[in-house]
Amino acid sequence: DQQVKQNSPSLSVQEGRISILNCDYTNSMFDYFLWYKKYPAEGPTFLISISSIKDKNEDGRFTVFLNKSAKHLSLHIVPSQPGDSAVYFCAASLRQGAQKLVFGQGTRLTINP
Amino acid sequence: DVKVTQSSRYLVKRTGEKVFLECVQDMDHENMFWYRQDPGLGLRLIYFSYDVKMKEKGDIPEGYSVSREKKERFSLILESASTNQTSMYLCASSLGQVPNQPQHFGDGTRLSIL
Repeated sequence: DQQVKQNSPSLSVQEGRISILNCDYTNSMFDYFLWYKKYPAEGPTFLISISSIKDKNEDGRFTVFLNKSAKHLSLHIVPSQPGDSAVYFCAASLRQGAQKLVFGQGTRLTINP
Repeated sequence: DVKVTQSSRYLVKRTGEKVFLECVQDMDHENMFWYRQDPGLGLRLIYFSYDVKMKEKGDIPEGYSVSREKKERFSLILESASTNQTSMYLCASSLGQVPNQPQHFGDGTRLSIL
């Protein structure tokens, strides 16, 4: 029972263009969503988050969009840079207790020069 | 800056051994977590703790136990290691009592069970 899904295992984008990573979830009770970036042999690094009361959050080149009715969130990276090549995980949590996270399977993003 | 330190980057053990993975955080976080990461499966929660001596099962606790004797330290124990526990293990911590706080991860321990 995969509550958070990233249906694209990989994505290849030209440097300078927009990268769009997608994530779907099934539990309508989730109210906090995060994106993490992971390089090989390192732990995931927190990138950006959004709470369910918002539909958009920006931080520099990174923007996260949340569509609650479709249970869908996306991460936009503009412009894409070679250093953005990594595996990206989306995650969701409930506002209760220790707020444990449920992760998607990850999408490997490759930025081509 | 939050620092989560896992004691070993790489570990090789034999089936049937008892294995200890250690994690220490330096930010006085209440919550600590253990995950394993496997290709195509993302990160799956094994156990978590929201206070000293408190622990709760995550989604895949079978074959594992945990210990939290001090706030900064959270240990994962493989009671009798098996080959299907070969994986990347990741520890994380987060601030409690305040909603919508991200978890901060260590660099992981790649464990091989032979």
